Amino acid sequence: GAGVSQSPSNKVTEKGKDVELRCDPISGHTALYWYRQRLGQGLEFLIYFQGNSAPDKSGLPSDRFSAERTGESVSTLTIQRTQQEDSAVYLCASSLGGVGYNEQFFGPGTRLTVL
Amino acid sequence: AQKITQTQPGMFVQEKEAVTLDCTYDTSDQSYGLFWYKQPSSGEMIFLIYQGSYDEQNATEGRYSLNFQKARKSANLVISASQLGDSAMYFCAMREGNQGGKLIFGQGTELSVKP
Repeated sequence: GAGVSQSPSNKVTEKGKDVELRCDPISGHTALYWYRQRLGQGLEFLIYFQGNSAPDKSGLPSDRFSAERTGESVSTLTIQRTQQEDSAVYLCASSLGGVGYNEQFFGPGTRLTVL
Repeated sequence: AQKITQTQPGMFVQEKEAVTLDCTYDTSDQSYGLFWYKQPSSGEMIFLIYQGSYDEQNATEGRYSLNFQKARKSANLVISASQLGDSAMYFCAMREGNQGGKLIFGQGTELSVKP
């Protein structure tokens, strides 16, 4: 079946503009995650959705960052008033959730460049 | 606080030889999971292997094995019979608990396989 998809693949924006990044998880996956990867760095956790539970927002770096998820499908990560430090690859992942090792399947990422 | 440490920014290995990539972790939880991911230059994240904290045997997946030393809090990845296609960034990650949840990633090790 189809993997995790993300759009756009690349986004160039000007400082101060808002951006929306989209993630389509694997069908049937109840858990969805957003991570950020700065150049040459490891992945930083941003936010985690699990079914109808309240999302774990503990990784969001500031109140300029927010995310929503429609049921157990599409998620949108919004960054308001973008700053140059927001430039990174934003990766979305999904997993089955529940008990078990719950391998996270990653999308190809959105490369965000803030000028 | 959870933490993953990968002390080798870069490693070289001769084709067909084995290589060990180091990973140490810090957690106060008794239940946790350890993951290794491969990230080629294309940017995709490829799951390699998983080790649960209660698993008594070291995990193996083909040419990949995980040298799990719980008392030392280490989870080193061993790649046997290296291939040119193994050249990539390798990330160690940890999830606390035995259900779905965020992954905490190390900074990665860049592996280069020499012909």
